[in-house]
Amino acid sequence: DTEVTQTPKHLVMGMTNKKSLKCEQHMGHRAMYWYKQKAKKPPELMFVYSYEKLSINESVPSRFSPECPNSSLLNLHLHALQPEDSALYLCASSQERGGQFKAFFGQGTRLTVV
Amino acid sequence: GQQVMQIPQYQHVQEGEDFTTYCNSSTTLSNIQWYKQRPGGHPVFLIQLVKSGEVKKQKRLTFQFGEAKKNSSLHITATQTTDVGTYFCAGGATNKLIFGTGTLLAVQP
Repeated sequence: DTEVTQTPKHLVMGMTNKKSLKCEQHMGHRAMYWYKQKAKKPPELMFVYSYEKLSINESVPSRFSPECPNSSLLNLHLHALQPEDSALYLCASSQERGGQFKAFFGQGTRLTVV
Repeated sequence: GQQVMQIPQYQHVQEGEDFTTYCNSSTTLSNIQWYKQRPGGHPVFLIQLVKSGEVKKQKRLTFQFGEAKKNSSLHITATQTTDVGTYFCAGGATNKLIFGTGTLLAVQP
């Protein structure tokens, strides 16, 4: 059972649409992450938030805009996406930021850009 | 940049056969984690290894961390159909995890 909840589970959007992905965790974790995963590939880190502040942006295009309203919530705002942005978007959290902490993943949002 | 490679990319076994996936990093790691992702699912944490040469077991799964902390392996004894999925190692770097390329395991009943 996952303790990281993502909504929606599936999303189809046009290239001119604006949409948001949402992620929530109630484990008291202080680090939250967005990953992008294409088929048959490993998760690719996009953003890291630590104590509600953006600490890592892995050179992600500005059409992806993260937001951390509080320690339990993480959003990913999407605007003017391209078909190649279609992927599984995974949210994760860990006790603290850093590779020594195990990550808990949400079930993901499967995004299709048409 | 830092890379973590896994071999093989894909392995197909008969149920009851053993399976091993190998993970190699281009740099020394502080720790290694292993995750399993079922088809259509999300990565689920299996284990973390921290010490050089560490070996840990979980039932039929045996995990090893190399002496130089640059490689790791996962061995499954007597595979079952429930073992199907992609196994990712993830190397601990200073402020993030670096996921390996993954090994997809298929188990034929």
